Amino acid sequence: GNSVTQMEGPVTLSEEAFLTINCTYTATGYPSLFWYVQYPGEGLQLLLKATKADDKGSNKGFEATYRKETTSFHLEKGSVQVSDSAVYFCALTSESGGSYIPTFGRGTSLIVHP
Amino acid sequence: GAGVSQTPSNKVTEKGKYVELRCDPISGHTALYWYRQSLGQGPEFLIYFQGTGAADDSGLPNDRFFAVRPEGSVSTLKIQRTERGDSAVYLCASSLKGPRGDTQYFGPGTRLTVL
Repeated sequence: GNSVTQMEGPVTLSEEAFLTINCTYTATGYPSLFWYVQYPGEGLQLLLKATKADDKGSNKGFEATYRKETTSFHLEKGSVQVSDSAVYFCALTSESGGSYIPTFGRGTSLIVHP
Repeated sequence: GAGVSQTPSNKVTEKGKYVELRCDPISGHTALYWYRQSLGQGPEFLIYFQGTGAADDSGLPNDRFFAVRPEGSVSTLKIQRTERGDSAVYLCASSLKGPRGDTQYFGPGTRLTVL
């Protein structure tokens, strides 16, 4: 079946540090890949996505590149802010038994200190 | 515009009771999804609807769980004979078309506690 593996958190950084959150996946077919973010007290919302190999998704200074050869979709940001503190979920949709079932990772908590 | 809404926000029930959780998707979204999220875990897929029909219900854990979307808009997740292990946050999401490549818009969730 399909699966998503994210690095364990929490990830703790100082403001303006470089961020990488690793995400690798196992999927049949050609998945679409997503990063969702959940800020404290809020619901999940899409951060960025990529629907085919070598595509780069970007939003709010975050980027992730769909790497089919390494089955990865790592999230990066060059300079994090305190307001980026949240839980980040890597997810995919891929065909399984004739339909496209969404699969989420466990989430990675990011804490950014001033 | 209005986002996805879920009611109630919290539900406390006793083991063995029946509960209904409601989801109001974004108007015009044809696809609707239900997930269950336990503490420290990501959303676990339960079922999704395309219009009025359940396109895939393979994530429902057993026959105590059932969901409907009779008019292709509001959906209700029904849990019979609740068990303590059913305690979790139940999330609803909707998307314009379907799961392949589509952005999902999530509601705030219903926290279910089974005593």
